[in-house]
Amino acid sequence: EAGVTQFPSHSVIEKGQTVTLRCDPISGHDNLYWYRRVMGKEIKFLLHFVKESKQDESGMPNNRFLAERTGGTYSTLKVQPAELEDSGVYFCASSPGQGYEKLFFGSGTQLSVL
Amino acid sequence: QKEVEQDPGPLSVPEGAIVSLNCTYSNSAFQYFMWYRQYSRKGPELLMYTYSSGNKEDGRFTAQVDKSSKYISLFIRDSQPSDSATYLCAMSESSSNTGKLIFGQGTTLQVKP
Repeated sequence: EAGVTQFPSHSVIEKGQTVTLRCDPISGHDNLYWYRRVMGKEIKFLLHFVKESKQDESGMPNNRFLAERTGGTYSTLKVQPAELEDSGVYFCASSPGQGYEKLFFGSGTQLSVL
Repeated sequence: QKEVEQDPGPLSVPEGAIVSLNCTYSNSAFQYFMWYRQYSRKGPELLMYTYSSGNKEDGRFTAQVDKSSKYISLFIRDSQPSDSATYLCAMSESSSNTGKLIFGQGTTLQVKP
């Protein structure tokens, strides 16, 4: 079974540019999460999809971040325009259903904004 | 004050040692407590999960939760070089959204052969 896949693994962009990160969850997983770790800080929750609906986006830093989940399958996280403080590792995770489940994390996208 | 405090280390031990990793937290609403292991350039992987207070054992790993002290621990017995990784504690409040986790900063562990 394929795990959670994230593209690209690394992205280097200049301040003011736009970047789109993609996450392919494990097939059949309804829950999809985005997390972020900035340098020297802990991993922080960004948002949670249940199928194609945003369940909780309380962790999104500001309106420069836009997340979508097309048809309840893959998800994209767009940063527009990117700022220096957006640099970090963006993780996606998925899980099957409701209640406690094991979260399966992808390997992350390392985003560097110069 | 952070909701979850974890000493980032690094922690270096010889092979075979017992390792103790700890986190403290301030939010008394946390009910679900987890330990994740993260290898370099990989995503976190769930290692142990505990609901409320108590102990849980899985092979060489034991997780303990003391809600009265707001303190959780992970013990690794007979540590191996393959245990070298970053260990992250994580917690959540609600059973309806246990995927919304609050992480500690992570402790980097090195087990030397």
